[in-house]
Amino acid sequence: DQQVKQNSPSLSVQEGRISILNCDYTNSMFDYFLWYKKYPAEGPTFLISISSIKDKNEDGRFTVFLNKSAKHLSLHIVPSQPGDSAVYFCAASRGANRDDKIIFGKGTRLHILP
Amino acid sequence: DGGITQSPKYLFRKEGQNVTLSCEQNLNHDAMYWYRQDPGQGLRLIYYSQIVNDFQKGDIAEGYSVSREKKESFPLTVTSAQKNPTAFYLCASSMAGPRRVGGYTFGSGTRLTVV
Repeated sequence: DQQVKQNSPSLSVQEGRISILNCDYTNSMFDYFLWYKKYPAEGPTFLISISSIKDKNEDGRFTVFLNKSAKHLSLHIVPSQPGDSAVYFCAASRGANRDDKIIFGKGTRLHILP
Repeated sequence: DGGITQSPKYLFRKEGQNVTLSCEQNLNHDAMYWYRQDPGQGLRLIYYSQIVNDFQKGDIAEGYSVSREKKESFPLTVTSAQKNPTAFYLCASSMAGPRRVGGYTFGSGTRLTVV
């Protein structure tokens, strides 16, 4: 049972335009959400996070939006740059318990086109 | 410079052999994790440990074993019982407890290939 779903395996965006990566979750107990970026043959690196008490968090070119009623979050990258080409993982956790783990989606591969 | 180190980066194993993947962190993190990445499968949790001398099975623990004798180290053994061990293996660590800002810190991974 997939609790964190990234329904688009890949996405292609022109350089300079906005990239929007989507993520849906099923567990209403999740209260902390993260995005990770991963290059081939490397480990994922933390990009941005959002707590369920917020609906938006911004860090430079990256903004994460959370819609709790729809159980949906999205990552916006503006403007998109060639170095943004990578796999992006959406992740979620409950955060309230010491033992709670982070649950990852399957990832979306972003291609930034020149 | 704090971080998490996985070794080796590439590993080749003959069928029927056990191999051990190393993971060391100097971040003073309590919790450590092992994930496996396959194409189209995302990150699947193999084992995790919240504290020294204790660990729990993840979603795909069959054919794997771990130990956590030191806080800094969480080695993963891929045994001959693992039917399809060729994959990219990722180790991660984090502070345990709520509100893990930034989530996990990942190592750079080990690519295991069965020959």
